[in-house]
Amino acid sequence: GAVVSQHPSWVICKSGTSVKIECRSLDFQATTMFWYRQFPKQSLMLMATSNEGSKATYEQGVEKDKFLINHASLTLSTLTVTSAHPEDSSFYICSAYVTGELFFGEGSRLTVL
Amino acid sequence: AQSVTQLDSQVPVFEEAPVELRCNYSSSVSVYLFWYVQYPNQGLQLLLKYLSGSTLVKGINGFEAEFNKSQTSFHLRKPSVHISDTAEYFCAVTTNTGFQKLVFGTGTRLLVSP
Repeated sequence: GAVVSQHPSWVICKSGTSVKIECRSLDFQATTMFWYRQFPKQSLMLMATSNEGSKATYEQGVEKDKFLINHASLTLSTLTVTSAHPEDSSFYICSAYVTGELFFGEGSRLTVL
Repeated sequence: AQSVTQLDSQVPVFEEAPVELRCNYSSSVSVYLFWYVQYPNQGLQLLLKYLSGSTLVKGINGFEAEFNKSQTSFHLRKPSVHISDTAEYFCAVTTNTGFQKLVFGTGTRLLVSP
């Protein structure tokens, strides 16, 4: 099946810094990618829908200026957590849609100290 | 809007025993249903999906699920589990084939012990 890769898998940063997480579709082109956030022992919550070449569509309650999403190419979407704080610590998962299938990345664990 | 309920947060079971993980959904329109498995610190892997057709859906790793429209359920079953099946299982629903607004349940942790 198709492969979606996220990088980095783990990241620890200081409070106030910005962190970028990449989501790549390795062997296919994805016009649409989704970003989810997962708190410990909880479900995945959709943060935003990312469409190549256009602005991301954010879910209600998700701060657009805090979580910057860019989908500049058909194989890459990035999530930048700006001025990160401890409450932003979470597991972030991306997924890519291609003709009736949704493929998930391995996830990126962000810890903000 | 649609929603998904997984009533069991954790299901302990012995190896080689059968298991059923329950999933109920709520929607005013037709739905597409999915089961995903998540191993620790990993992303999600699709186990099976129901889009249309036969209500009994077979997936990977010996899992199957049955779509029951009257009971709005999509329970996941496996006749004989292995230690390696220990993981978190998520039921998900969408009303759009483009996976827009895919809504996940809270997950069920399957714990298989020897």
